[in-house]
Amino acid sequence: AQKITQTQPGMFVQEKEAVTLDCTYDTSDPSYGLFWYKQPSSGEMIFLIYQGSYDQQNATEGRYSLNFQKARKSANLVISASQLGDSAMYFCAMRGLGGGADGLTFGKGTHLIIQP
Amino acid sequence: DTGVSQDPRHKITKRGQNVTFRCDPISEHNRLYWYRQTLGQGPEFLTYFQNEAQLEKSRLLSDRFSAERPKGSFSTLEIQRTEQGDSAMYLCASSQVQSLATLYEKLFFGSGTQLSVL
Repeated sequence: AQKITQTQPGMFVQEKEAVTLDCTYDTSDPSYGLFWYKQPSSGEMIFLIYQGSYDQQNATEGRYSLNFQKARKSANLVISASQLGDSAMYFCAMRGLGGGADGLTFGKGTHLIIQP
Repeated sequence: DTGVSQDPRHKITKRGQNVTFRCDPISEHNRLYWYRQTLGQGPEFLTYFQNEAQLEKSRLLSDRFSAERPKGSFSTLEIQRTEQGDSAMYLCASSQVQSLATLYEKLFFGSGTQLSVL
């Protein structure tokens, strides 16, 4: 079984500041993948970034980076230079060796609000 | 690429009625997923298809839930004898998977169908 914990229900951040969204996970699978998705008010989940458990380097995608600390089982999302359009729900998710059969296990999310 | 579309966007029904939702994935995507999202929670995996084959359905919430993907294109999710606890957002996602062994899979989600059971 897999579990994702996101301890920040909501965050307020000033525009142009960097943001760190926390995510810890638990799994017994030796190999796993970690994901972050953004869900704006329209409801559509948008893929942001992926980190494999055996990847040597932290993943980066434009303004998004993933601070992966395997020993601590954490996979925090860092958004640099936040923008008003970053206001949304953010979900951390993972999958294990079962591939599609496991689906993705999501956390409860963090509601990020960027203030001008 | 028109994205994943779901229909209807909203559905209000009375308890005990049957409802059916439709999902049109991105064309040529070979995988299709259904998730349920309740208020204040992340999406919860229900079932998925590899082409037309339903490879996982044990996570469907009860035998009142069923899904189909005829001919490996669009999919439908049916809930029979709806209950108030079925009220939720039902999300569909699709992906193109080259290797069954990979952990990396970028899902493209639709905007969901919001179900309200009165």
